Amino acid sequence: GENVGLHLPTLSVQEGDNSIINCAYSNSASDYFIWYKQESGKGPQFIIDIRSNMDKRQGQRVTVLLNKTVKHLSLQIAATQPGDSAVYFCAESSMEYGNKLVFGAGTILRVKS
Amino acid sequence: EAQVTQNPRYLITVTGKKLTVTCSQNMNHEYMSWYRQDPGLGLRQIYYSMNVEVTDKGDVPEGYKVSRKEKRNFPLILESPSPNQTSLYFCASGSPPTKSGLWTFGSGTRLTVV
Repeated sequence: GENVGLHLPTLSVQEGDNSIINCAYSNSASDYFIWYKQESGKGPQFIIDIRSNMDKRQGQRVTVLLNKTVKHLSLQIAATQPGDSAVYFCAESSMEYGNKLVFGAGTILRVKS
Repeated sequence: EAQVTQNPRYLITVTGKKLTVTCSQNMNHEYMSWYRQDPGLGLRQIYYSMNVEVTDKGDVPEGYKVSRKEKRNFPLILESPSPNQTSLYFCASGSPPTKSGLWTFGSGTRLTVV
């Protein structure tokens, strides 16, 4: 597959444990945040999103937390499975900048069985 | 099935030979965008379009052109490709965040310029 993960931070977790992936964003005017998952050879896939008027949102096995004070976003994955192994990207957008999506560099998640 | 379709998936070309990567979406999305992905650099936006005949430069537009004559199509044109444009390219479409904000990505085009 494509080597998009070169020099990215890596998180290794045991199957069944919870994973927490962190992201620091740069624009205090950003009002919308998304987490994407990218598996080898595929395009980014939407996981969960959150708007700036919220600090927490839950999906199926995933939770996103937003701390606007320190411009920090996290993705929590419960009971991590081997199929969760991928590169995870956070993205931010703001109406101020035409709703353009700006991506973070990504984090590699490796799940050990 | 709702999807973004890019073609081709893989392309090897020579320096200076004009090429076009096609992108089509079937979700009636207003927004479309092109990104390139390079190792360790994440996804960087090349061009984006907020609607038909409305396009704007992203972060790395040099060497690329786009057009948006129809809502569903957003081709990426490299008039004179150079080796530094060797990369993995993704097209995406979405609705404005005032609606859903959800972006859908294509499967990618691996371009090699020799």
